[in-house]
Amino acid sequence: DGGITQSPKYLFRKEGQNVTLSCEQNLNHDAMYWYRQDPGQGLRLIYYSQIVNDFQKGDIAEGYSVSREKKESFPLTVTSAQKNPTAFYLCASSPSVGGNQPQHFGDGTRLSIL
Amino acid sequence: DAKTTQPPSMDCAEGRAANLPCNHSTISGNEYVYWYRQIHSQGPQYIIHGLKNNETNEMASLIITEDRKSSTLILPHATLRDTAVYYCIVRVAEFGNEKLTFGTGTRLTIIP
Repeated sequence: DGGITQSPKYLFRKEGQNVTLSCEQNLNHDAMYWYRQDPGQGLRLIYYSQIVNDFQKGDIAEGYSVSREKKESFPLTVTSAQKNPTAFYLCASSPSVGGNQPQHFGDGTRLSIL
Repeated sequence: DAKTTQPPSMDCAEGRAANLPCNHSTISGNEYVYWYRQIHSQGPQYIIHGLKNNETNEMASLIITEDRKSSTLILPHATLRDTAVYYCIVRVAEFGNEKLTFGTGTRLTIIP
């Protein structure tokens, strides 16, 4: 089935450690996105990418990094510079950036600090 | 993007139609209305979207008023699996406006 796969579902990070969250899609979508969701709050955009080897900062990019080496993959690295990384991270994709087609989401990765 | 207002919670009996309202009185002519839902600990699920005409798909119907200041999401025959938080989002579909702004949504509970 076509869809977006995020892994792992749960992730624990030690202080000062970088961690990478995986996001893979087989929908042949050009655009991919990373959001962060905190308890009881809405989603905040971290980064998005409209095409391979290109990405743009969202509202809260500080302390995060991304890469887009393949169309189907958009991994997110949470660096030690992110002081409050505990959150639910959601990856999404859409056919293209700027269109009215909806974004479709994966099932998320919940990151916690040990 | 225009702001949306939704009731914080609603109940609906299983098998009945669930009608979820959304107010977006400041919507502009090029803003689309999107509906998503989120079940606890899962990613948001896209339901439906529209600009000015009513829309229907296999999941739901979207009714947008003629002045576009409000809309209603209709789940025609609610089941227990429809229990979730439902989000109404208004967004201009243009390059550079990529984020989806989720408000607090409506927590819909389907009652057996």
